[in-house]
Amino acid sequence: SQKIEQNSEALNIQEGKTATLTCNYTNYSPAYLQWYRQDPGRGPVFLLLIRENEKEKRKERLKVTFDTTLKQSLFHITASQPADSATYLCARGGSGAGSYQLTFGKGTKLSVIP
Amino acid sequence: DVKVTQSSRYLVKRTGEKVFLECVQDMDHENMFWYRQDPGLGLRLIYFSYDVKMKEKGDIPEGYSVSREKKERFSLILESASTNQTSMYLCASSLGVPPETQYFGPGTRLLVL
Repeated sequence: SQKIEQNSEALNIQEGKTATLTCNYTNYSPAYLQWYRQDPGRGPVFLLLIRENEKEKRKERLKVTFDTTLKQSLFHITASQPADSATYLCARGGSGAGSYQLTFGKGTKLSVIP
Repeated sequence: DVKVTQSSRYLVKRTGEKVFLECVQDMDHENMFWYRQDPGLGLRLIYFSYDVKMKEKGDIPEGYSVSREKKERFSLILESASTNQTSMYLCASSLGVPPETQYFGPGTRLLVL
């Protein structure tokens, strides 16, 4: 089965620093990886997507990398702010034609300390 | 913007009751999903649907059923609610072509007493 692992359940970081979250996958590389943000009591919200043939993707203070050798994606938030505190989920697509599902990691809870 | 709405934010039911959770999306998405989310267990897929009247079991379908009579609406049914079905229930939809980005509703927190 295709697994997604986010090894850190929680990460505390000082305001202004760069937060780095890790997502590891098993077996073959997915065509893309997605990152979502979830606030307490709310549904996840899509943030960024990176394709297998892309090394890096940026959106404002967010950066995602995709390393097929390490089978890993890193999610960076630069100049972190208390408002960035949330749980971040990594997800991979399914395999084969007609596969509609995403497999989500359990998430990393980020706390940005003022 | 895609909007996914769920019928209730909070729900309290008794053991044995039949429970209906409704989800509506307004962007003509092909696929719809029901998840439950519990601390330490992450998002677990209950059922999904890739077309009207079509449904597929997810990872934990036992004790649940679904209905999709119209493209925009996907219902989750707990035939006989049990206390172990107390959870946060999340509905999502996706367009139906890769990369299948999912758009989630706000969630329904269900308490079964």
